[in-house]
Amino acid sequence: GESVGLHLPTLSVQEGDNSIINCAYSNSASDYFIWYKQESGKGPQFIIDIRSNMDKRQGQRVTVLLNKTVKHLSLQIAATQPGDSAVYFCAEKDSSYKLIFGSGTRLLVRP
Amino acid sequence: DAGITQSPRHKVTETGTPVTLRCHQTENHRYMYWYRQDPGHGLRLIHYSYGVKDTDKGEVSDGYSVSRSKTEDFLLTLESATSSQTSVYFCAITEPGEEAFFGQGTRLTVV
Repeated sequence: GESVGLHLPTLSVQEGDNSIINCAYSNSASDYFIWYKQESGKGPQFIIDIRSNMDKRQGQRVTVLLNKTVKHLSLQIAATQPGDSAVYFCAEKDSSYKLIFGSGTRLLVRP
Repeated sequence: DAGITQSPRHKVTETGTPVTLRCHQTENHRYMYWYRQDPGHGLRLIHYSYGVKDTDKGEVSDGYSVSRSKTEDFLLTLESATSSQTSVYFCAITEPGEEAFFGQGTRLTVV
């Protein structure tokens, strides 16, 4: 099977709890940020995005926070479910449209 | 799912042989990307394209070349495959200010 989660930081949470996944980005010129979810054997899937003129954006059960001062992104998942178990990546895009990914975090949801 | 097709989905090749992976899109998106994914490294950008015949290098471009002669096709070539290029390769497409959509991946094994 897919071993993308091997050696990645792991966050283990109880089903029903909230999860917070953090990401530090590198390019101060990046103006668009995206969170992706990757399940075993599949390509990354879009979760939520945020532009640099915002500091918070909410979706269904997910919230992204952006702190440009310290170049930090976080993804908050409310009421975490077993189906949320996956590897989560942040990605940044600048004006050159080069899309660069962070190293990822593996989320494990305990029943 | 966005209209992205990668071919082949799996390939085993011998060291020193040339290999070409194909990414085909039906979305008419301007930007296309090739990534490789290895355990513990997340997704690393190999090359990307911002239009027909317009390409640029990513983080890990050594040993790879690309071509884009049509909007819908982005080819990744390993001129002389090495064992270090054993990986899962993902293609992605995007438009400015939008999230990227990913293909299902190509698992390449170089023996």
